Amino acid sequence: KAGVTQTPRYLIKTRGQQVTLSCSPISGHRSVSWYQQTPGQGLQFLFEYFSETQRNKGNFPGRFSGRQFSNSRSEMNVSTLELGDSALYLCASSWTIKTYNEQFFGPGTRLTVL
Amino acid sequence: GEDVEQSLFLSVREGDSSVINCTYTDSSSTYLYWYKQEPGAGLQLLTYIFSNMDMKQDQRLTVLLNKKDKHLSLRIADTQTGDSAIYFCAESYTGTASKLTFGTGTRLQVTL
Repeated sequence: KAGVTQTPRYLIKTRGQQVTLSCSPISGHRSVSWYQQTPGQGLQFLFEYFSETQRNKGNFPGRFSGRQFSNSRSEMNVSTLELGDSALYLCASSWTIKTYNEQFFGPGTRLTVL
Repeated sequence: GEDVEQSLFLSVREGDSSVINCTYTDSSSTYLYWYKQEPGAGLQLLTYIFSNMDMKQDQRLTVLLNKKDKHLSLRIADTQTGDSAIYFCAESYTGTASKLTFGTGTRLQVTL
């Protein structure tokens, strides 16, 4: 069974640009969550999607957005990039959202903003 | 509020036991987790415990939960060099089980 895949693995952008990151969950998983990991702020929850609907959102500005497609694949978009957006972006998939079930994390996309 | 704290660094000798500690402030946490992150990799779930449990053992891993003090610990028996990584505790709540609040992470260094 293939794991969670994220593309691209590495990305370099300049301030003001926008970026789109992609996450393909494990087959059969319907929930996708996104996290930002930085040395200063640690791991922070961005948002969660289930059945194409955003179910939870973290405390991030509106420049951060996402969506989920009918095949459960998810994308997140960051517009008007700032230096502070440089981070490792992790996505995780799980079968459901309400009760405990293991979340499987992808290897992440490392975004560098110059 | 949500606030999960861990010590930053722990160094142990190979073969010894490691104990990584975590404190949290939200008593309504339902699930508590330990994740491992190796360099350049994502997060790997090691083990989890429900908030109505005190202890859980899984091979070399033992999780202890003290709800009164809001303290969670992970004990790794017979620590190996392959255990060198960053360890994160995390919590989530009923109804939003997929939304994890992570601790600051503890870097475990295993020396020969």
